Amino acid sequence: AQSVTQPDIHITVSEGASLELRCNYSYGATPYLFWYVQSPGQGLQLLLKYFSGDTLVQGIKGFEAEFKRSQSSFNLRKPSVHWSDAAEYFCAVGVKGQNFVFGPGTRLSVLP
Amino acid sequence: KAGVTQTPRYLIKTRGQQVTLSCSPISGHRSVSWYQQTPGQGLQFLFEYFSETQRNKGNFPGRFSGRQFSNSRSEMNVSTLELGDSALYLCASSLDRSSYEQYFGPGTRLTVT
Repeated sequence: AQSVTQPDIHITVSEGASLELRCNYSYGATPYLFWYVQSPGQGLQLLLKYFSGDTLVQGIKGFEAEFKRSQSSFNLRKPSVHWSDAAEYFCAVGVKGQNFVFGPGTRLSVLP
Repeated sequence: KAGVTQTPRYLIKTRGQQVTLSCSPISGHRSVSWYQQTPGQGLQFLFEYFSETQRNKGNFPGRFSGRQFSNSRSEMNVSTLELGDSALYLCASSLDRSSYEQYFGPGTRLTVT
């Protein structure tokens, strides 16, 4: 069955530290891959997406993600975290003709 | 360009009642999807509409239904509400079915008492 996992439920980092959020998927073919961010009480905002081509994709707010086919992973990174990055982050996959599947989310806390 | 709008933003209903939620997609977007978000189950796909037709449906009971109008606006309806229907209901729009970039609205927070 298709699935998306985000192994870390909650991550705490200090402001200015680097960040990596993990995402793994299980699909028969390479799906379209996305990262979304959700602030409390808000909807989801698209951070970045991967469809094909260069496996390192740049997104908004200084985020980037790397697709690794051999590991079925699409990890999100940021070199220096800001306090405003505290939010919940969702990895999502889409396959043509099928609905999106979201991971369970990773809650990011940022220490001053 | 205005984003996805959802009304109402908050709703309190009693068990057994029914509720209708509304979603207006980004201008020019023709595909609308609905999701339910709960702490226990996370984000779950409800259904997708395109050209006034349901194209995809998630694993939810028949109490959950929806429709799309000719202007791409969409509504979802939940009948015979249960306590477990309390959730944030999110609507997302995309340009068409071949575009996988979904833009989400702020959601409708439904509380069933």
